[in-house]
Amino acid sequence: TQLLEQSPQFLSIQEGENLTVYCNSSSVFSSLQWYRQEPGEGPVLLVTVVTGGEVKKLKRLTFQFGDARKDSSLHITAAQPGDTGLYLCAGLDNYGQNFVFGPGTRLSVLP
Amino acid sequence: EAGVTQSPTHLIKTRGQQVTLRCSPISGHTSVYWYQQALGLGLQFLLWYDEGEERNRGNFPPRFSGRQFPNYSSELNVNALELEDSALYLCASSSSGLAGPMYNEQFFGPGTRLTVL
Repeated sequence: TQLLEQSPQFLSIQEGENLTVYCNSSSVFSSLQWYRQEPGEGPVLLVTVVTGGEVKKLKRLTFQFGDARKDSSLHITAAQPGDTGLYLCAGLDNYGQNFVFGPGTRLSVLP
Repeated sequence: EAGVTQSPTHLIKTRGQQVTLRCSPISGHTSVYWYQQALGLGLQFLLWYDEGEERNRGNFPPRFSGRQFPNYSSELNVNALELEDSALYLCASSSSGLAGPMYNEQFFGPGTRLTVL
């Protein structure tokens, strides 16, 4: 089973700061997704990246898929309290059979 | 438009009992996915149904089972509950397609919180 690791596990920052969270694996993934989950709710899809080296921007969020398709990063510029939540990465293995989630990074942005 | 709904929201059972969780997908969606989110473990894929058929199954014992009805709603059944089954059970739906969750966006429900004592 291919595994996804995420770091850091927890992150607490002040409003206005920048941050980067990471999603890593020793295996190649055909594509990766990032989700945000708020307390009491299910995860909400933020982005899907499918090409090695791909960079996608969603307002203040920048997502990058590693060249080797084994890792991904999410960078948030000028974080806001509304960015608080659990950030999950999920990937489809190279055989297109197994869809796995990482354990998540819990982000807290303090006003 | 109504989102994915799940019932019940919370459930407390004792070890050895059986439980049934229910999910209603977004109107027009034919695929339903079930996940277990245990504390500190992230989401673990359980089952995927599409058009009434089981398309894929995660690495869970046979006491986890489910089905999808003709109206595309779904049930997850867990027999012989164990303490480690305590978790948030999430259901997601997507539009039809055998391509699966990476190519058809999943929309998640709020989950059912199961506590096994």
